[in-house]
Amino acid sequence: AQSVSQHNHHVILSEAASLELGCNYSYGGTVNLFWYVQYPGQHLQLLLKYFSGDPLVKGIKGFEAEFIKSKFSFNLRKPSVQWSDTAEYFCATRPTDSWGKLQFGAGTQVVVTP
Amino acid sequence: DGGITQSPKYLFRKEGQNVTLSCEQNLNHDAMYWYRQDPGQGLRLIYYSQIVNDFQKGDIAEGYSVSREKKESFPLTVTSAQKNPTAFYLCASSATGSEKLFFGSGTQLSVL
Repeated sequence: AQSVSQHNHHVILSEAASLELGCNYSYGGTVNLFWYVQYPGQHLQLLLKYFSGDPLVKGIKGFEAEFIKSKFSFNLRKPSVQWSDTAEYFCATRPTDSWGKLQFGAGTQVVVTP
Repeated sequence: DGGITQSPKYLFRKEGQNVTLSCEQNLNHDAMYWYRQDPGQGLRLIYYSQIVNDFQKGDIAEGYSVSREKKESFPLTVTSAQKNPTAFYLCASSATGSEKLFFGSGTQLSVL
């Protein structure tokens, strides 16, 4: 069975601090990996994705994520956060042989204080 | 203005009652999805449809039913068999083979 685990439910940090959100998945086959973000009052939107190739992927707004196959992880990072990064972040996986089954983690609520 | 429209925003269900949540998209997407969001559990896939007149069960399909008679519409019925229906329901769509899902604004369902 496919599952996605996010390590933290809530993260509070100050502007300019570095952010790293953990994500681990379990699945017997190959998966595609995603991070979605939901800003306050807005819809969920795609932040970045990994399909193949360079395991370090860059997304919008200065975010990046690294796929470590041996650890089944896809952690999200940003070197210096801004107040506007306050949002809920969801890690998601999808088996490569079943593109419809996009599975989400529980989400991490990130609050950036001025 | 293209997008996904879910209605109603809030819905109340009485015990033993079936209710239907509406989802309409004008993005010309072939694929549509229904997710349920509970606090601390993220989004769980209920049903998805890759094309008109076809749909598959997700991880928590029991107590739910869907139809896909039109490309633009993917209504979800929460039946009386769903014993814990109180949740936030999100509809999404995507172009065929695309990983980028577009989400609606959701429907909060509560049981009276």
